Amino acid sequence: GEKVEQHESTLSVREGDSAVINCTYTDTASSYFPWYKQEAGKSLHFVIDIRSNVDRKQSQRLIVLLDKKAKRFSLHITATQPEDSAIYFCAASLPGGYQNFYFGKGTSLTVIP
Amino acid sequence: GGIITQTPKFLIGQEGQKLTLKCQQNFNHDTMYWYRQDSGKGLRLIYYSITENDLQKGDLSEGYDASREKKSSFSLTVTSAQKNEMAVFLCASSITQTEVFFGKGTRLTVV
Repeated sequence: GEKVEQHESTLSVREGDSAVINCTYTDTASSYFPWYKQEAGKSLHFVIDIRSNVDRKQSQRLIVLLDKKAKRFSLHITATQPEDSAIYFCAASLPGGYQNFYFGKGTSLTVIP
Repeated sequence: GGIITQTPKFLIGQEGQKLTLKCQQNFNHDTMYWYRQDSGKGLRLIYYSITENDLQKGDLSEGYDASREKKSSFSLTVTSAQKNEMAVFLCASSITQTEVFFGKGTRLTVV
């Protein structure tokens, strides 16, 4: 099955700097790549996604890049703020009507004021 | 907007005990999931269901049963709790290839 590896287990940045979290996947058929955020004591919620028909997507301060050749995707958080501090999970899923999402192990991001 | 409600929030069980976790969603989503979250291991899929009465095993299904008797509810049973087991069980729902919505979790401790 698919395996998603999230490379940074922890990441610290200064407020206002950019943060980058990198993930790789193994199954070339994977076509949907969402990112989730988990704040302390809370459940996961969706932040942004990218599909395999594009290589870049931006939503406000969040940018997702997808390199299908390298089977790599990344989340860029620009102009970080303290409220960006959380655990971020990347995921991948195969095409088709109903799918299993394969999650990375999570990256704990700390934004230092 | 919708909501996913998981009960109970905290569950303390004894070794060997059969324990049931419940999940309700009012999104009217077809697909529901049970994930297990362990510290440092991310989320691992236990079971999912694409419609009422459907069950699909995930990578971590051994030791668990699931039931989807209604579209809105999905329950998970730990068939025999393991001593010192601690994990958070997350229920989720979605429609096809879109955002997955998660519940707040049930935290299991086995003594």
